[in-house]
Amino acid sequence: AQSVTQLDSHVSVSEGTPVLLRCNYSSSYSPSLFWYVQHPNKGLQLLLKYTSAATLVKGINGFEAEFKKSETSFHLTKPSAHMSDAAEYFCVVTRPNFGNEKLTFGTGTRLTIIP
Amino acid sequence: KAGVTQTPRYLIKTRGQQVTLSCSPISGHRSVSWYQQTPGQGLQFLFEYFSETQRNKGNFPGRFSGRQFSNSRSEMNVSTLELGDSALYLCATSPGQGETQYFGPGTRLLVL
Repeated sequence: AQSVTQLDSHVSVSEGTPVLLRCNYSSSYSPSLFWYVQHPNKGLQLLLKYTSAATLVKGINGFEAEFKKSETSFHLTKPSAHMSDAAEYFCVVTRPNFGNEKLTFGTGTRLTIIP
Repeated sequence: KAGVTQTPRYLIKTRGQQVTLSCSPISGHRSVSWYQQTPGQGLQFLFEYFSETQRNKGNFPGRFSGRQFSNSRSEMNVSTLELGDSALYLCATSPGQGETQYFGPGTRLLVL
């Protein structure tokens, strides 16, 4: 069984300040974890993925996430927010090498950037 | 490489009608999955196709169906539309089963 919890439904930060979007997961196996971003009226874009290699994963647009097994967390961070980062972010957990019915999506975190 | 293409992008139907949505995968991608996204239920898995065969199915009624063609393009069909079927339908493709998925822009369906 697996589940994912995004701890904040909405996060607001000022432009140029750090971003932290929190994600906790639950899994009875070693999971694969992803962060996707969805801009208004668009599909989901892959930001980064963790697949049991390095625990610190670097993604696109300056985002990174750290897999912490002891805390069952996979938080997404960015040192300096940009206006273009305003979007909804989804944390996703899956069982490696299984079919896509095993993908479990978080409920999303809406990121607002204050000018 | 061109991304995942979904057509149409927007659709308005009335209750009882049926609708067909199309998804063209990234070149070389053979796995196509469909998802429904609504404000209340979030993202939910509908089904996955690989090599023209449905491999996995989510918990949706039989009104939701799909198919995949030999060129990996996929269609999904919803019959006897209900108001609750109003949603953003997302298609995601990957080279093979269980690999990283790349999403299309979605088809927004409104049922009146």
